[in-house]
Amino acid sequence: QVQLVESGGGVVQPGTSLRLSCAASGFTFSSHSMHWVRQTPGKGLEWVAIIFSHGANDYYADSVKGRFSISRDNSNNAVYLQMNSLRAEDTAVYYCARDYTDHWTVDYWGQGTLVTVSS
Amino acid sequence: QSALTQPRSVSGSPGQSVTISCTGTSSDVGGYNYVSWYQQHPGKAPKFMIYDVSKRPSGVPDRFSGSKSGNTASLTISGLQAEDEADYYCYSYAGSFTWVFGGGTKLTVL
Repeated sequence: QVQLVESGGGVVQPGTSLRLSCAASGFTFSSHSMHWVRQTPGKGLEWVAIIFSHGANDYYADSVKGRFSISRDNSNNAVYLQMNSLRAEDTAVYYCARDYTDHWTVDYWGQGTLVTVSS
Repeated sequence: QSALTQPRSVSGSPGQSVTISCTGTSSDVGGYNYVSWYQQHPGKAPKFMIYDVSKRPSGVPDRFSGSKSGNTASLTISGLQAEDEADYYCYSYAGSFTWVFGGGTKLTVL
């Protein structure tokens, strides 16, 4: 069965960096694009980034463009989110999610990892 | 990348039907047949319920159905059950490899 397990969340100060990881299993990881989605109590769900299956292309929400970077390691079935210049408004639960190929959506989600940006 | 508009809350009694709307623009909901819906119970990850506007993944009861007219998509839940009480989110492709969610709707089963 498809499993996605996020890790790396924690409490950090504004302006610092954090790297999230997502370990995937139960499917052919290299065949699927992968997304990061975050959820805040006040704003609900927000799409953050996508990386294509081959890793050569990635795209971002305007709110994180230039600060966050998504990457993947197909040999280790993992996807990452490097978050730099963190702000209080980046506080959220971060989910990795599998792209549902050819349907422009996501089907499976991890359980999420909480990132709190606070001084 | 503005969020899609959903009602904050809806409610219905067991056995009844409810419909949740999701209004976007011609750049997202109206421009593509790539609207999805997710169900989320407290403390849990979202669950995939509808894709391509009206298709159900395997395992999702046929009580759940989706539709779209113009810039507004809808999720209808018929034969409401207690376990349907949850938050529901719509999600649409918005072009240029970006996506947008709705603000979420809290469904209360009375």
